[in-house]
Amino acid sequence: ETGVTQTPRHLVMGMTNKKSLKCEQHLGHNAMYWYKQSAKKPLELMFVYSLEERVENNSVPSRFSPECPNSSHLFLHLHTLQPEDSALYLCASSQGSQNTEAFFGQGTRLTVV
Amino acid sequence: DQQVKQNSPSLSVQEGRISILNCDYTNSMFDYFLWYKKYPAEGPTFLISISSIKDKNEDGRFTVFLNKSAKHLSLHIVPSQPGDSAVYFCAASAHDSGGSNYKLTFGKGTLLTVNP
Repeated sequence: ETGVTQTPRHLVMGMTNKKSLKCEQHLGHNAMYWYKQSAKKPLELMFVYSLEERVENNSVPSRFSPECPNSSHLFLHLHTLQPEDSALYLCASSQGSQNTEAFFGQGTRLTVV
Repeated sequence: DQQVKQNSPSLSVQEGRISILNCDYTNSMFDYFLWYKKYPAEGPTFLISISSIKDKNEDGRFTVFLNKSAKHLSLHIVPSQPGDSAVYFCAASAHDSGGSNYKLTFGKGTLLTVNP
């Protein structure tokens, strides 16, 4: 069992659909993150949750809505996405907020058609 | 404006030789630096890190060097092995006003290919 698990691994959705990405961490970490990786661009931080409270919202459009019901689970709810939102969405977790590395999941490859 | 730059999109080396991956940054507030490795269809995995109070950190075949005055860090892999072939991301963080450094700023990555 990997430390950070993301489902689904692949998702194709229409612009009018509503879908959710799920992330679960089994490492006992207290911070969780959503990152977006687009082609030929750096990993972009989207959201950070620490102790289930959102501490960072990196100017992400409202069509992306995160939810962190507990310290082990993180969701990214998607609605009315655009084709340019197609990317690899990576979840990560870390312990604490001081100089600790983040552990990443395998990502969800999202295609918006 | 990219704050973390990896100017070489790719690097190819022979097995057994040294691989040197470079990273430059512009934000003088960055005080913690990390290297991640990413294989296709997998998420990035942490490799090695260095705090700004150090100029070198070594872990087995991997050594990270930090030159604060030049705002430059590098990852040395020696000897390089075919299994090291992956995309390597440099990342940096700075403490915010609350004293936390959650936010990692990543470079675009360098694809390393180690040829047998």
